[in-house]
Amino acid sequence: NAGVTQTPKFRVLKTGQSMTLLCAQDMNHEYMYWYRQDPGMGLRLIHYSVGEGTTAKGEVPDGYNVSRLKKQNFLLGLESAAPSQTSVYFCATLNGGTGNNEQFFGPGTRLTVL
Amino acid sequence: AQSVAQPEDQVNVAEGNPLTVKCTYSVSGNPYLFWYVQYPNRGLQFLLKYITGDNLVKGSYGFEAEFNKSQTSFHLKKPSALVSDSALYFCAVREGSYNTDKLIFGTGTRLQVFP
Repeated sequence: NAGVTQTPKFRVLKTGQSMTLLCAQDMNHEYMYWYRQDPGMGLRLIHYSVGEGTTAKGEVPDGYNVSRLKKQNFLLGLESAAPSQTSVYFCATLNGGTGNNEQFFGPGTRLTVL
Repeated sequence: AQSVAQPEDQVNVAEGNPLTVKCTYSVSGNPYLFWYVQYPNRGLQFLLKYITGDNLVKGSYGFEAEFNKSQTSFHLKKPSALVSDSALYFCAVREGSYNTDKLIFGTGTRLQVFP
């Protein structure tokens, strides 16, 4: 099993360009999350989904959109990239509904916005 | 609001010595606490969790953590450090209900184990 995969691994954008990050999982987990990791700030939640067709805002949602059309995929979109969105992005999944379980993380996408 | 604090940006320890990475928490209600490790250029890996029960929790790679309710702490420990333990460690607390299972992460502590 691949677990949680993220595409692409690296990307460089110019200010104003758009892109979509893909998170795919083969663990049949209901819950999926997008985080960004910045030095000295830990991980901050951008958006999350508790099931196919549902999404919700996290701590830092501005400038991002998400979609969960299929249970196994969670897409993160940047419509008009800004230098402040330079970060490492992580997707995570969880077999949710009990509160006891841990999240499983993908390998990350390193995004640079010039 | 739930939160966790990791007061040390970096911890240095010699190989073979015991290590401690500190975490304190602030929650309303019973805390659900987690430790994760991140090796260079990798995603986070789960180490251990405290949900309820024994205050000493054992996890992966020989790590353990002690839940202390009176001190609102959940420090990560290992009796004998290895150079391969060098990594970034994150403490986290569950926020919200089991219907969302969101995590709030600390800022991370870099552990450096010297040969």
